[in-house]
Amino acid sequence: NAGVTQTPKFRVLKTGQSMTLLCAQDMNHEYMYWYRQDPGMGLRLIHYSVGEGTTAKGEVPDGYNVSRLKKQNFLLGLESAAPSQTSVYFCASTKATSGRQETQYFGPGTRLLVL
Amino acid sequence: KNQVEQSPQSLIILEGKNCTLQCNYTVSPFSNLRWYKQDTGRGPVSLTIMTFSENTKSNGRYTATLDADTKQSSLHITASQLSDSASYICVVSEKTGTASKLTFGTGTRLQVTL
Repeated sequence: NAGVTQTPKFRVLKTGQSMTLLCAQDMNHEYMYWYRQDPGMGLRLIHYSVGEGTTAKGEVPDGYNVSRLKKQNFLLGLESAAPSQTSVYFCASTKATSGRQETQYFGPGTRLLVL
Repeated sequence: KNQVEQSPQSLIILEGKNCTLQCNYTVSPFSNLRWYKQDTGRGPVSLTIMTFSENTKSNGRYTATLDADTKQSSLHITASQLSDSASYICVVSEKTGTASKLTFGTGTRLQVTL
Protein backbone atom coordinates (compact mmCIF):
# COMPACT_ATOMS: atom_id res chain seq x y z
CA ASN A 1 0.00 0.00 0.00
CA ALA A 2 1.20 3.48 -0.86
CA GLY A 3 -0.80 4.93 2.05
CA VAL A 4 -1.50 8.64 1.58
CA THR A 5 0.12 10.38 -1.37
CA GLN A 6 0.10 14.06 -2.30
CA THR A 7 0.68 15.81 -5.61
CA PRO A 8 2.64 18.00 -6.25
CA LYS A 9 5.47 17.93 -3.70
CA PHE A 10 6.41 21.56 -4.29
CA ARG A 11 4.87 24.47 -6.17
CA VAL A 12 5.55 28.17 -6.66
CA LEU A 13 2.61 30.42 -7.53
CA LYS A 14 2.20 34.08 -8.26
CA THR A 15 -0.41 36.04 -6.33
CA GLY A 16 -3.81 35.57 -7.94
CA GLN A 17 -3.04 32.26 -9.64
CA SER A 18 -5.08 29.18 -8.92
CA MET A 19 -4.08 25.59 -8.33
CA THR A 20 -5.35 22.26 -7.05
CA LEU A 21 -3.58 19.97 -4.62
CA LEU A 22 -4.40 16.29 -4.94
CA CYS A 23 -4.52 13.79 -2.09
CA ALA A 24 -5.03 10.09 -2.67
CA GLN A 25 -5.30 7.20 -0.20
CA ASP A 26 -5.49 3.48 -0.88
CA MET A 27 -6.59 2.34 2.58
CA ASN A 28 -10.34 2.64 1.93
CA HIS A 29 -10.62 5.28 4.66
CA GLU A 30 -13.85 7.19 5.07
CA TYR A 31 -12.47 10.40 6.55
CA MET A 32 -9.98 12.69 4.88
CA TYR A 33 -8.50 16.00 6.03
CA TRP A 34 -6.48 18.93 4.75
CA TYR A 35 -4.16 20.76 7.16
CA ARG A 36 -1.65 23.56 6.84
CA GLN A 37 1.52 23.78 8.90
CA ASP A 38 3.19 27.13 9.49
CA PRO A 39 6.36 27.91 11.48
CA GLY A 40 5.68 28.29 15.20
CA MET A 41 2.12 27.03 14.89
CA GLY A 42 0.48 23.66 15.23
CA LEU A 43 -1.21 22.03 12.27
CA ARG A 44 -4.51 23.72 11.51
CA LEU A 45 -7.48 22.05 9.86
CA ILE A 46 -8.62 23.66 6.60
CA HIS A 47 -11.42 21.34 5.45
CA TYR A 48 -12.38 17.75 6.01
CA SER A 49 -14.64 15.08 4.57
CA VAL A 50 -16.47 12.25 6.31
CA GLY A 51 -17.34 10.46 3.10
CA GLU A 52 -17.61 10.61 -0.66
CA GLY A 53 -19.56 13.65 -1.77
CA THR A 54 -19.44 15.40 1.63
CA THR A 55 -17.13 18.14 2.87
CA ALA A 56 -17.03 20.47 5.86
CA LYS A 57 -15.12 23.53 6.98
CA GLY A 58 -12.34 23.32 9.50
CA GLU A 59 -10.58 25.99 11.52
CA VAL A 60 -9.09 28.04 8.62
CA PRO A 61 -11.22 27.46 5.50
CA ASP A 62 -11.15 30.94 3.94
CA GLY A 63 -9.53 31.08 0.50
CA TYR A 64 -9.77 27.31 -0.02
CA ASN A 65 -12.29 24.95 -1.57
CA VAL A 66 -12.39 21.16 -1.54
CA SER A 67 -14.07 18.31 -3.33
CA ARG A 68 -14.45 14.59 -2.60
CA LEU A 69 -15.89 13.11 -5.78
CA LYS A 70 -14.26 9.74 -5.18
CA LYS A 71 -13.70 8.04 -1.84
CA GLN A 72 -9.97 7.72 -2.39
CA ASN A 73 -9.33 11.32 -3.49
CA PHE A 74 -9.59 14.66 -1.70
CA LEU A 75 -8.78 17.80 -3.66
CA LEU A 76 -7.82 21.17 -2.19
CA GLY A 77 -8.23 24.20 -4.42
CA LEU A 78 -6.86 27.71 -4.16
CA GLU A 79 -8.94 29.98 -6.39
CA SER A 80 -6.76 33.10 -6.08
CA ALA A 81 -3.52 32.45 -4.22
CA ALA A 82 -2.26 34.98 -1.68
CA PRO A 83 1.17 35.21 0.01
CA SER A 84 -0.54 34.31 3.31
CA GLN A 85 -1.22 30.88 1.83
CA THR A 86 2.49 30.10 1.66
CA SER A 87 2.67 27.00 3.83
CA VAL A 88 3.17 23.26 3.93
CA TYR A 89 -0.07 21.42 3.27
CA PHE A 90 -0.72 17.97 4.67
CA CYS A 91 -3.46 15.57 3.80
CA ALA A 92 -4.53 12.88 6.25
CA SER A 93 -7.03 10.05 6.36
CA THR A 94 -8.65 7.83 8.99
CA LYS A 95 -11.08 4.98 9.27
CA ALA A 96 -14.53 5.90 10.54
CA THR A 97 -14.81 4.31 13.99
CA SER A 98 -17.31 4.97 16.73
CA GLY A 99 -14.59 5.09 19.35
CA ARG A 100 -12.86 8.01 17.67
CA GLN A 101 -9.47 6.49 18.52
CA GLU A 102 -8.62 6.14 14.89
CA THR A 103 -5.03 6.70 13.81
CA GLN A 104 -4.55 9.52 11.35
CA TYR A 105 -2.26 8.68 8.44
CA PHE A 106 -0.55 11.69 6.92
CA GLY A 107 0.80 12.28 3.46
CA PRO A 108 4.32 13.62 2.84
CA GLY A 109 3.16 17.21 2.38
CA THR A 110 3.08 19.81 -0.38
CA ARG A 111 5.23 22.91 0.00
CA LEU A 112 3.55 25.93 -1.55
CA LEU A 113 5.23 29.29 -2.04
CA VAL A 114 3.09 32.22 -3.17
CA LEU A 115 5.02 35.21 -4.45
CA LYS B 1 -10.17 28.28 23.51
CA ASN B 2 -8.67 24.81 23.32
CA GLN B 3 -4.91 24.84 23.59
CA VAL B 4 -2.02 22.38 23.62
CA GLU B 5 1.31 23.61 24.93
CA GLN B 6 4.55 21.67 24.64
CA SER B 7 7.87 22.06 26.36
CA PRO B 8 10.69 22.40 25.81
CA GLN B 9 10.55 24.02 22.39
CA SER B 10 13.79 22.29 21.45
CA LEU B 11 16.20 19.85 23.04
CA ILE B 12 19.63 18.48 22.25
CA ILE B 13 20.77 15.22 23.85
CA LEU B 14 23.61 12.75 23.40
CA GLU B 15 22.95 9.43 21.75
CA GLY B 16 22.06 6.78 24.30
CA LYS B 17 20.60 9.23 26.82
CA ASN B 18 16.95 9.37 27.89
CA CYS B 19 14.70 12.39 27.62
CA THR B 20 11.17 13.46 28.52
CA LEU B 21 8.95 15.82 26.57
CA GLN B 22 5.99 17.58 28.18
CA CYS B 23 2.49 18.44 26.98
CA ASN B 24 -0.19 20.45 28.81
CA TYR B 25 -3.65 20.88 27.38
CA THR B 26 -6.93 22.65 28.00
CA VAL B 27 -9.06 20.78 25.45
CA SER B 28 -12.57 19.94 26.56
CA PRO B 29 -14.46 17.67 26.32
CA PHE B 30 -11.49 15.33 26.12
CA SER B 31 -11.53 12.27 23.91
CA ASN B 32 -7.93 11.12 23.54
CA LEU B 33 -4.33 12.31 23.41
CA ARG B 34 -1.86 11.40 20.69
CA TRP B 35 1.85 11.76 20.20
CA TYR B 36 3.26 12.04 16.69
CA LYS B 37 6.81 11.98 15.36
CA GLN B 38 7.54 14.24 12.40
CA ASP B 39 10.83 13.88 10.57
CA THR B 40 12.07 16.94 8.70
CA GLY B 41 10.26 17.28 5.38
CA ARG B 42 7.83 14.43 6.12
CA GLY B 43 4.32 14.05 7.43
CA PRO B 44 3.61 13.22 11.09
CA VAL B 45 3.55 9.55 12.07
CA SER B 46 1.48 8.31 15.01
CA LEU B 47 3.37 6.96 18.03
CA THR B 48 0.64 6.48 20.65
CA ILE B 49 -3.03 7.20 21.30
CA MET B 50 -4.35 7.27 24.88
CA THR B 51 -7.90 7.60 26.12
CA PHE B 52 -9.09 9.03 29.43
CA SER B 53 -8.76 5.69 31.22
CA GLU B 54 -5.20 4.96 30.06
CA ASN B 55 -2.34 6.50 32.00
CA THR B 56 0.57 4.93 30.13
CA LYS B 57 1.23 3.43 26.73
CA SER B 58 4.44 2.25 25.14
CA ASN B 59 5.65 1.89 21.58
CA GLY B 60 9.14 0.43 21.61
CA ARG B 61 11.49 2.94 23.22
CA TYR B 62 8.70 5.52 23.42
CA THR B 63 6.49 5.64 26.53
CA ALA B 64 3.68 8.13 26.87
CA THR B 65 1.93 8.97 30.13
CA LEU B 66 -1.34 10.79 30.69
CA ASP B 67 -2.72 12.47 33.79
CA ALA B 68 -6.25 13.46 32.81
CA ASP B 69 -6.84 15.17 36.16
CA THR B 70 -4.01 17.67 35.71
CA LYS B 71 -4.34 17.61 31.90
CA GLN B 72 -0.72 16.75 31.39
CA SER B 73 1.09 14.20 29.27
CA SER B 74 4.71 13.26 28.78
CA LEU B 75 6.63 11.33 26.17
CA HIS B 76 9.71 9.51 27.46
CA ILE B 77 12.34 8.33 25.01
CA THR B 78 14.72 5.67 26.27
CA ALA B 79 18.24 5.07 24.98
CA SER B 80 17.95 7.69 22.26
CA GLN B 81 19.23 7.04 18.76
CA LEU B 82 20.25 9.40 15.99
CA SER B 83 17.06 8.43 14.14
CA ASP B 84 15.01 9.89 17.00
CA SER B 85 15.99 13.35 15.78
CA ALA B 86 12.63 14.84 14.79
CA SER B 87 9.79 17.02 15.99
CA TYR B 88 7.40 15.41 18.46
CA ILE B 89 3.88 16.71 18.36
CA CYS B 90 1.24 16.34 21.05
CA VAL B 91 -2.33 16.29 19.75
CA VAL B 92 -5.52 16.28 21.80
CA SER B 93 -8.80 15.08 20.38
CA GLU B 94 -12.10 16.67 21.37
CA LYS B 95 -15.32 14.71 21.48
CA THR B 96 -17.51 15.70 18.56
CA GLY B 97 -20.47 14.25 16.70
CA THR B 98 -18.59 12.97 13.69
CA ALA B 99 -14.93 13.36 12.81
CA SER B 100 -12.60 14.12 15.68
CA LYS B 101 -11.62 17.70 16.25
CA LEU B 102 -7.90 17.77 16.92
CA THR B 103 -5.82 20.49 18.54
CA PHE B 104 -2.13 20.27 17.67
CA GLY B 105 0.76 21.47 19.76
CA THR B 106 3.63 23.29 18.10
CA GLY B 107 5.99 20.41 18.80
CA THR B 108 9.32 19.82 20.52
CA ARG B 109 12.27 19.65 18.17
CA LEU B 110 14.66 16.94 19.40
CA GLN B 111 18.21 16.61 18.14
CA VAL B 112 20.23 13.55 19.11
CA THR B 113 23.98 13.97 18.64
CA LEU B 114 27.07 11.76 18.90
